[in-house]
Amino acid sequence: DQQVKQNSPSLSVQEGRISILNCDYTNSMFDYFLWYKKYPAEGPTFLISISSIKDKNEDGRFTVFLNKSAKHLSLHIVPSQPGDSAVYFCAATNNAGNNRKLIWGLGTSLAVNP
Amino acid sequence: NAGVTQTPKFQVLKTGQSMTLQCAQDMNHNSMYWYRQDPGMGLRLIYYSASEGTTDKGEVPNGYNVSRLNKREFSLRLESAAPSQTSVYFCASSGTRHLYNSPLHFGNGTRLTVT
Repeated sequence: DQQVKQNSPSLSVQEGRISILNCDYTNSMFDYFLWYKKYPAEGPTFLISISSIKDKNEDGRFTVFLNKSAKHLSLHIVPSQPGDSAVYFCAATNNAGNNRKLIWGLGTSLAVNP
Repeated sequence: NAGVTQTPKFQVLKTGQSMTLQCAQDMNHNSMYWYRQDPGMGLRLIYYSASEGTTDKGEVPNGYNVSRLNKREFSLRLESAAPSQTSVYFCASSGTRHLYNSPLHFGNGTRLTVT
């Protein structure tokens, strides 16, 4: 049973508009969440993270929102650029003190059209 | 600065053959990891090494062995390959085993096919 779910396998957005990628989780003990981006034929690269004590974290064009009561987080990219076209993975852990406890979603493929 | 380097990029094996996937990092990281990525399954941890001289099993260790040769290198061995081990394998490293301020850095993967 998937503890971290990314229910949209793909998303298409126009350049300059907002991209919203969603992630739901089932384990209420998760206390740290991360987003990674992956280009074809490359490994995932870290994008942004958020601790459960916060409800928002921002880094440039990327903002992650956490709604603990809904067990939901989302990644907002504003404005979207063609170079943002990639697969985005959500990951979560209930032990931020240990990297080996990460649980990964299946990813959402984002296409940003010029 | 290469980051995490994996070799080979592609490999085809016959059932029962053995091979070693190599991984090296040049970021002076303490912790290293081997993941596999399969369609519909997400990334799953095979083995990890919290620091030089230590290794431990992850979520899916069966059929694999690892060696932390030194601080830089962490290899993954398939002693007798099976079709179920067809996958994309990623090596990763992190400065510490703590997620705060120490995210995983991944290599570009090895695509392995076992026939």
